[in-house]
Amino acid sequence: DVQLLESGGGLVQPGGSLRLSCAASRFTLTSFAMSWVRQAPGKGLEWVAVITGSGGSTHYADSVKGRFTVSRDRSSNTLFLHMTSLRAEDTAMYYCAKRPGPIGGPFHFWGLGTRVTVSS
Amino acid sequence: EIVLTQSPDTLSLSPGESASLSCRASQSVDNNYLAWYQQRPGQVPRLLVYHASSRDTGIPDRFSGSGSGTDFTLTINGLELEDFAVYHCQQYSTAPMCSFGQGTKLEIK
Repeated sequence: DVQLLESGGGLVQPGGSLRLSCAASRFTLTSFAMSWVRQAPGKGLEWVAVITGSGGSTHYADSVKGRFTVSRDRSSNTLFLHMTSLRAEDTAMYYCAKRPGPIGGPFHFWGLGTRVTVSS
Repeated sequence: EIVLTQSPDTLSLSPGESASLSCRASQSVDNNYLAWYQQRPGQVPRLLVYHASSRDTGIPDRFSGSGSGTDFTLTINGLELEDFAVYHCQQYSTAPMCSFGQGTKLEIK
């Protein structure tokens, strides 16, 4: 079965940076569109960023554009989210999620998430 | 950006009853690329329905999705205790981007 395992979350001060990782197993990450989705405490789901399969183009929600960068490493089959200029409103559980194709489709596999808390 | 509005925010029902959850889009969702997810407390979202009406593998047939254009519905017939959870709709017609609704909490009455 497909496995996604996030790591890298933690407590960070406002204005700080953090890099999240999502290790993928049993599929080739670069063949599929991979997204980061977050969920603030008690709130709904918010799509954050995506990197498409094959071409690897990236797209971001307006709320994180210019501050977050999604990338991937082919050799380790790992997805990353580099977060800078963090704000209190970035506090959330961050999930990586896989789509069935290189560009679109629903999220049919999710990781367990990693928690990010932005606070002084 | 397509904004999705779910209603109601909270739905209180008893086991055995049927639930009808609504998801309305600010503009037409092309190809009916609309999905529904279930999220139980402390758990990861699980895909229930995609393409508005196709059940994902292993999803019981008491879950059904319908709708097109801007109005979509998730119906759950014969509620079981395990069905009380939060339900999220998502549009992916703007792939690779997408957007979610704010969620509907289905609680036991």
